[in-house]
Amino acid sequence: AQTVTQSQPEMSVQEAETVTLSCTYDTSESDYYLFWYKQPPSRQMILVIRQEAYKQQNATENRFSVNFQKAAKSFSLKISDSQLGDAAMYFCAYRSRTSGTYKYIFGTGTRLKVLA
Amino acid sequence: DAGITQSPRHKVTETGTPVTLRCHQTENHRYMYWYRQDPGHGLRLIHYSYGVKDTDKGEVSDGYSVSRSKTEDFLLTLESATSSQTSVYFCAIKENSDYEQYFGPGTRLTVT
Repeated sequence: AQTVTQSQPEMSVQEAETVTLSCTYDTSESDYYLFWYKQPPSRQMILVIRQEAYKQQNATENRFSVNFQKAAKSFSLKISDSQLGDAAMYFCAYRSRTSGTYKYIFGTGTRLKVLA
Repeated sequence: DAGITQSPRHKVTETGTPVTLRCHQTENHRYMYWYRQDPGHGLRLIHYSYGVKDTDKGEVSDGYSVSRSKTEDFLLTLESATSSQTSVYFCAIKENSDYEQYFGPGTRLTVT
């Protein structure tokens, strides 16, 4: 069975600085998707970024980018120029592309604090 | 915005009572999901549906049942609520032509 691990329960970053959130996963599959979701205090889950495992190029969305290391099964999220609005829980998630069940597996989350 | 609503948004109930949470979508997506979110556990899948009357269990399905009689509605029922089912419940959909999930606003359920 696939698992997703976020080993950092909480992180802090100074406003305007860069922070990296870690995520590792375990799977025997070669084709899958990986996601980062943000959950601000409003509780709404918001998709931040998506990576297809078959793509070697790391995904980027404005100030958010990932470091996808397929062999190491690592999928970290880098937030550049951190803003107060980035303070939230961040969840890493995995979904098989081949199993056909469309189940998503989430990590336990990392709470990011942004210091002014 | 994937047009997902959940009702109620907040509920307090007593141990042993039945509770039904509703998830409603407006855009005819095939896949719908129920998760619970608890501190230290992230989001855990309770049940999901891949079409009308087609459902399957997730990792924490004990004590929960679901029904999907219409494409737009996915109901989660706690037959006899327990204090361990106090949680925030999220509904999600997967768009028919996309990869990621989109979530409803969540329901905070407290079982006293």
